[in-house]
Amino acid sequence: AQSVTQLDSQVPVFEEAPVELRCNYSSSVSVYLFWYVQYPNQGLQLLLKYLSGSTLVESINGFEAEFNKSQTSFHLRKPSVHISDTAEYFCAVSETGTASKLTFGTGTRLQVTL
Amino acid sequence: NAGVTQTPKFQVLKTGQSMTLQCAQDMNHNSMYWYRQDPGMGLRLIYYSASEGTTDKGEVPNGYNVSRLNKREFSLRLESAAPSQTSVYFCASSGPDRARTEAFFGQGTRLTVV
Repeated sequence: AQSVTQLDSQVPVFEEAPVELRCNYSSSVSVYLFWYVQYPNQGLQLLLKYLSGSTLVESINGFEAEFNKSQTSFHLRKPSVHISDTAEYFCAVSETGTASKLTFGTGTRLQVTL
Repeated sequence: NAGVTQTPKFQVLKTGQSMTLQCAQDMNHNSMYWYRQDPGMGLRLIYYSASEGTTDKGEVPNGYNVSRLNKREFSLRLESAAPSQTSVYFCASSGPDRARTEAFFGQGTRLTVV
């Protein structure tokens, strides 16, 4: 079984400031790692994923996450946030080779203000 | 391309009533999932179907039943609704091979049981 911990339930940040959303996981088997974003009153959208290979993965809108196996972490970062990044962010894991059953963290609400 | 479609979007039930949440995907995906989202708890897997004709319990299956009607459709039934089932329900699907690792989500059904 896996578990995901997102320690920060809310992260307030000013526009154009950098941000880091923390994610730690626990698993006895190899996993895939994901970050999903949920805008108000919408479903979840995949932001980025780590399957294998380079430990640094990037999204098309400037977010990046680094897989750290020794620390069992997959923190999400952005060097300069925009108002439009205000949303809830979920870290998730799934066992490799499964049908993508996801185990989610409890989410981090990113609130960007002027 | 509609992706994953859920109906209804909103529903209010009285305790003890029954209802079925409908989900359909048009991406020819093999696997489908039902999650519930509650404040501070992230998303939790209720049931999933790895392929047409199979269903399995997830983390929180009590009080629910599912039917994989065909490859496209996966329904969730509440036989006797309880206030504890007040939640936002998300259906998701994922495909074979490289697409297997990414889950696509519907817009959600907001259910209130009074």
